[in-house]
Amino acid sequence: SQQGEEDPQALSIQEGENATMNCSYKTSINNLQWYRQNSGRGLVHLILIRSNEREKHSGRLRVTLDTSKKSSSLLITASRAADTASYFCATGNDYKLSFGAGTTVTVRA
Amino acid sequence: IAGITQAPTSQILAAGRRMTLRCTQDMRHNAMYWYRQDLGLGLRLIHYSNTAGTTGKGEVPDGYSVSRANTDDFPLTLASAVPSQTSVYFCASSEYGAGHNEQFFGPGTRLTVL
Repeated sequence: SQQGEEDPQALSIQEGENATMNCSYKTSINNLQWYRQNSGRGLVHLILIRSNEREKHSGRLRVTLDTSKKSSSLLITASRAADTASYFCATGNDYKLSFGAGTTVTVRA
Repeated sequence: IAGITQAPTSQILAAGRRMTLRCTQDMRHNAMYWYRQDLGLGLRLIHYSNTAGTTGKGEVPDGYSVSRANTDDFPLTLASAVPSQTSVYFCASSEYGAGHNEQFFGPGTRLTVL
């Protein structure tokens, strides 16, 4: 069963706007990770946030984690056409990552 | 080779046939994984291996088997393919066991079982 669930399922924004997507999960975690998948390609790791961290930045990406609410958010600032992709959250426990169904982001030029 | 490679890129297979999907990594990662990706369901873990010589079952292991004879290779075998195994299969690796660090993914194998 999937641990993480992303919201929304799909998002369409104009180039230059910010994109925010959320992930909720059910059980305790060691960390939460975000991945990007371009159409027809494998997943690419974006950022990992550990359970004792609340916020993390990487370039135009900002991730928050609220373990009390069992939720995380991924913010992409100043979006570009190249950010068009599916984004997945994955929760890590002892031996595996559990992926959500993903958010499909379309950035319009 | 750089990263993870998978072969074949795609395959059409008759039901009942045996098929092995190949996966090789050159990063000397300890852990390797096989996922299947189906529309609307995200990625589901089939089997994993935390180190050479050991394997474990994931969420959807039925109908699949794996082996890990060495660090670099992690083949996935479908002993007798069925149409419900039509999917895109991704191999991944990580330095240590999953859940503690990032995973690196191969480009995927698109498998169609007729």
